[in-house]
Formats: sequence, structure tokens, C-alpha cells
Amino acid sequence: QKEVEQNSGPLSVPEGAIASLNCTYSDRGSQSFFWYRQYSGKSPELIMFIYSNGDKEDGRFTAQLNKASQYVSLLIRDSQPSDSATYLCAVNDIDTDKLIFGTGTRLQVFP
Amino acid sequence: GAGVSQTPSNKVTEKGKYVELRCDPISGHTALYWYRQSLGQGPEFLIYFQGTGAADDSGLPNDRFFAVRPEGSVSTLKIQRTERGDSAVYLCASSANPTDTQYFGPGTRLTVL
Repeated sequence: QKEVEQNSGPLSVPEGAIASLNCTYSDRGSQSFFWYRQYSGKSPELIMFIYSNGDKEDGRFTAQLNKASQYVSLLIRDSQPSDSATYLCAVNDIDTDKLIFGTGTRLQVFP
Repeated sequence: GAGVSQTPSNKVTEKGKYVELRCDPISGHTALYWYRQSLGQGPEFLIYFQGTGAADDSGLPNDRFFAVRPEGSVSTLKIQRTERGDSAVYLCASSANPTDTQYFGPGTRLTVL
């Protein structure tokens, strides 16, 4: 069974700090990786996607992928209270075109 | 254009009843996905359509669940003889192509009493 693992948290960081969210996956053949943000009672919203090893930056967000270690992370710089949400890691299953989601990490940014 | 829409936003029903949940994908998106999300969990795959046909229905939990997409656009998820364990948020997502980014609708919260 292909799996995506995330620490459920909560991860608490002060406003202005860097939040680091981590995700590991079991399928070595996976090629596409996604981070979604989900506010309480709302649906997932795409934050970033990454396909290649290394870093990908978009504003305050940086996604990092290490396929050898089967590890993908999301860094949020200058964290704001409005970043408080659950962050879902999703990995594309190349055999089925399905997205496999982790359980999400709850982030709390306190003023 | 408009995003993915889902109706109703909330549905309360009694055990044993039949329900239909509707999803209207982003215009032009060929791939459509249904997920179910329980509290504290990530979305769980149910079924995926490419065009009008169900390309993968391996996530449907049992034969009480069925979904259609007759014209390759709007999809309906149908649940027969609902059970309390069916209570969850049902999410629909669409993508331009199967390997592209999936965009989610607002979900339908189903409560089975």
C-alpha cells in the first residue's frame, strides 16, 4: 500500500518565524508532489507543486524535494497568524494517476 | 473562469435514505475526482473520471456508492441505503489532464442520522 506520512502536529511557531512542514512517501516512482492548505471547514487549496529535486520558491513559500530520501517539505517564511491551517502533502501515484494524501499537519502561528 | 462547484453544501439525511451529491468541474477539465474526508484525515480517493468514463473506481467503499458523469462535465455521486459511517465531507476535484494539478470544490458535508 502506497503511503504518505505527515506529523499531525500541531506545529506551533511565533509570528515572523519559519515554519517547516515535512512529508515522506513510500512510492519511489512518484514524480509529482503537491502541498495543499486547508482552513478549518474549508476545502483544500493548492499552495505549491514540485516535480524536480531541489528547491522551488514562490513568495514566502519554498517546497523542497529529495527523491533519494523520499522526502518533501514546505517552508513558510515570515509566518503569519493567517497561515494557521492544516497543510496536506499529496503525492501522485504514477500507476493510477491518483493523488495520495497524508493526514495533514496542523500549523498554529501565534502573535 | 469559475472554480469547481458542489451542491448541496450540507446534506442531512436519515439512515437508509438515498442521496445524490453534485459536482460541476472547471470548464474544459477532462479529469474529475471524488474524495471523502473524515475529521482529522486527509482526503481519501473514491473514483476518478476521464471524460465520461470511470477510469478508476477502486476507492468506492462498497456497491452502495455509485457515480456518473454522462456528458463528461457534471458528475453525480450517489449513495444508496446510507449508513451513519457515510457521514463525512465529500470533495470533488478537477484537473485539465489526469496528471495536472487538481483543484477542489467547497465540498458537501453529509450527515447521516
